[in-house]
Amino acid sequence: LAKTTQPISMDSYEGQEVNITCSHNNIATNDYITWYQQFPSQGPRFIIQGYKTKVTNEVASLFIPADRKSSTLSLPRVSLSDTAVYYCLEGSYNQGGKLIFGQGTELSVKP
Amino acid sequence: GAVVSQHPSWVICKSGTSVKIECRSLDFQATTMFWYRQFPKQSLMLMATSNEGSKATYEQGVEKDKFLINHASLTLSTLTVTSAHPEDSSFYICSANPGTGAAYNEQFFGPGTRLTVL
Repeated sequence: LAKTTQPISMDSYEGQEVNITCSHNNIATNDYITWYQQFPSQGPRFIIQGYKTKVTNEVASLFIPADRKSSTLSLPRVSLSDTAVYYCLEGSYNQGGKLIFGQGTELSVKP
Repeated sequence: GAVVSQHPSWVICKSGTSVKIECRSLDFQATTMFWYRQFPKQSLMLMATSNEGSKATYEQGVEKDKFLINHASLTLSTLTVTSAHPEDSSFYICSANPGTGAAYNEQFFGPGTRLTVL
């Protein structure tokens, strides 16, 4: 069973900032939090990963509070091409790369 | 970035036949690869861990005799769906991590293979 909980779907409009929150109620001390994006009929693509506080890259920002019970993926100024399913995952280096996907959040960006 | 390819991208077969799907890491070596299955409108389900030079490790509930995995080289893993039936119709995806330069849980996924069993 997946260890994370996230909204099933979200709607947004082009140019808006989108924040998708994930619950990590039972996250382990060694676990990192990772987000993936998946377009229809394609393999998922790594977006960002963090352990605590804030991480930013050219695509998104990831906010993780001190208690690490949640994480928020922030997509600035979304476009139609950001319409996809977004997955949050937990995992440690010790699990050798094995990923357990939850249900994901289907983001729909409208013009 | 690291590239993982799959072949074929789609396949249609008759019930009872076997189908082989290839997963290749194009610009890195991978001692471990992973196989996932995804049904329409559902999430990815991990099927097995493919280990170079040794037996694959299957997740609970996955039939090892039906889904044969062979990881004969550091760049190639194959998944064979034996005696395929319509319920095996799904999207099969593999992944691998190049190690150097990648984050801990940064898996590079192939483009997937759409299997349709008639």
